[in-house]
Amino acid sequence: RKEVEQDPGPFNVPEGATVAFNCTYSNSASQSFFWYRQDCRKEPKLLMSVYSSGNEDGRFTAQLNRASQYISLLIRDSKLSDSATYLCVVARGAGNMLTFGGGTRLMVKP
Amino acid sequence: DAGVIQSPRHEVTEMGQEVTLRCKPISGHNSLFWYRQTMMRGLELLIYFNNNVPIDDSGMPEDRFSAKMPNASFSTLKIQPSEPRDSAVYFCASTVAGGHYNEQFFGPGTRLTVL
Repeated sequence: RKEVEQDPGPFNVPEGATVAFNCTYSNSASQSFFWYRQDCRKEPKLLMSVYSSGNEDGRFTAQLNRASQYISLLIRDSKLSDSATYLCVVARGAGNMLTFGGGTRLMVKP
Repeated sequence: DAGVIQSPRHEVTEMGQEVTLRCKPISGHNSLFWYRQTMMRGLELLIYFNNNVPIDDSGMPEDRFSAKMPNASFSTLKIQPSEPRDSAVYFCASTVAGGHYNEQFFGPGTRLTVL
């Protein structure tokens, strides 16, 4: 079983739709949680951190459920430019070693 | 302001040849990470350095892989001899290590093809 699991998709949605991605992690000692975004043939970039209390950044909302070891990302009013692969990421250890999920591909259509 | 710099951006080589990938982290960052990304296995951490010292190399696949960081502004990842299954995109990332998580900044990657 992978340490961080995601539905690979693709999720094909029309512009303006709301889409949700989920992720589960297996290591209960994980300390920090993130969503990274990766465009085709580009490097991953941090989208947002994920906190137990939930956090919002514009159209993006992330939530963490430590008891269920579950992380989510909600994108509202999706734009064409949101098309990318979204990577669920878990950090462990003092060195902030990152473990990446396999990614969920999102395609927003006009 | 320059981000993480990697070279070469693309490398095509034949099986058995030595391959050296290079990385220059962001100035002032003291942690450096090497990752490998493939379709089958996704993005995997190979090794990371803190203050130029290798801290965890448990992700290095086998003895054919080695990494060095001779100073704060340069790191190499070497594969000798290379094999077709080493074909992947290799990313270098850097950050400032501290008491809490700091964002890792990734370079553009080196796309390696071993024939």
